[in-house]
Amino acid sequence: DAVMTQSPLSLPVTLGQPASISCRSSQSLVHSDGNIYLNWFQQRPGQSPRRLIYKVSERDSGVPDRFSGSGSGTDFTLKISRVEAEDVGVYYCMQGTHWRWTFGQGTKVEIK
Amino acid sequence: QVQLVESGGGVVQPGRSLRLSCVASGFTFNTYAMHWVRQAPAKGLEWVALISYDGRDKPYADSVKGRFTISRDNSKNTLYLQMNSLSVEDTALYYCVRDQLGSLDYWGQGTLVTVSS
Repeated sequence: DAVMTQSPLSLPVTLGQPASISCRSSQSLVHSDGNIYLNWFQQRPGQSPRRLIYKVSERDSGVPDRFSGSGSGTDFTLKISRVEAEDVGVYYCMQGTHWRWTFGQGTKVEIK
Repeated sequence: QVQLVESGGGVVQPGRSLRLSCVASGFTFNTYAMHWVRQAPAKGLEWVALISYDGRDKPYADSVKGRFTISRDNSKNTLYLQMNSLSVEDTALYYCVRDQLGSLDYWGQGTLVTVSS
């Protein structure tokens, strides 16, 4: 199984400042079809997870453009260009390339 | 709009069984693979199982393999998770989630399973 490792696990951020979360896979996430099925989810307190990004960098409808995803192979990054109060929550990466899908441990974003 | 409504959670003793259900609406259920994902209290997300659109393929997480069975009834737009030999480590909120080609696009609100003596 692909082990997904996120860092940092806790991220205090000042409002209006950028934030960056890293996600590393123990194996390449390039699928045999050529796609990379790396996703990012946001889970606000008390809510179900919500997908933000799929296939490394494709942003879901309704997701603010301050969220962006990048990466390739085994190393991926979620960036928030300017953190807002509504961005508080836990962020998870998840791979869907290898059957038995796996999540990262989660990164808790909080306001300083 | 897509809706996924889970039910069947509750308090159960270790070693007992429970069956979760998820009724889907707002999309053509029999054309989508479906997943169960769980979240233990104050913990992260754990993928549990996947079932292909036609029910033929069913990979499981190692932690539940041999104890849990995922199934679906496309005539009823319903996904199931039969959980046997439950242990305290299975205590979690169980989410029903729709598959979208290597991703998970719609999540239910979850149903809580508590395994306790």
